[in-house]
Amino acid sequence: DAKTTQPPSMDCAEGRAANLPCNHSTISGNEYVYWYRQIHSQGPQYIIHGLKNNETNEMASLIITEDRKSSTLILPHATLRDTAVYYCIVDSGGYQKVTFGIGTKLQVIP
Amino acid sequence: DTEVTQTPKHLVMGMTNKKSLKCEQHMGHRAMYWYKQKAKKPPELMFVYSYEKLSINESVPSRFSPECPNSSLLNLHLHALQPEDSALYLCASSQQSRSRGRKETQYFGPGTRLLVL
Repeated sequence: DAKTTQPPSMDCAEGRAANLPCNHSTISGNEYVYWYRQIHSQGPQYIIHGLKNNETNEMASLIITEDRKSSTLILPHATLRDTAVYYCIVDSGGYQKVTFGIGTKLQVIP
Repeated sequence: DTEVTQTPKHLVMGMTNKKSLKCEQHMGHRAMYWYKQKAKKPPELMFVYSYEKLSINESVPSRFSPECPNSSLLNLHLHALQPEDSALYLCASSQQSRSRGRKETQYFGPGTRLLVL
């Protein structure tokens, strides 16, 4: 299974961009990078996913390096509501098996 | 409707009780999942149902018994649990596109917080 490495915690000032890195150096060619987040005491929430190209949706942008060994999730204007644990997932354990790592606990500071 | 609902929100049970957790989705998804999440830990997959058939059991003890009566409903029957089974139990669903190598986006419910006394 491809593994991911994320910093355990990060702080971001409210209104600034939050850049959350993820290393996935053993990613295979057909594996997607997925990001989920979990706000305290809620279920995880899908944010975005990508394969090779950069992706953007209403929640975030995903930047994947050309060698696909790392990616960055960008929340362009962080708000207090973005305080959560962010999970980067790359997993070859079958298309139904989502393996959550420890994730990054993002604290948005007023 | 992109919502997965779970009932009850909270449950307290003794070690000799039998209880059930319920999960429902009306997105037409054909894959449904149970996860267990201990405090300050990531969710861990327990079971996956695909087209109402159990497709993955992550070596979960038999005191947890899943059931998928139809494509919209998923139950988790609990019997003779231990205090260490206290956790947040999350249900999720996904479309079931059968695309190999591509993860399915999963939609999670809010969870049932279980306390076993």
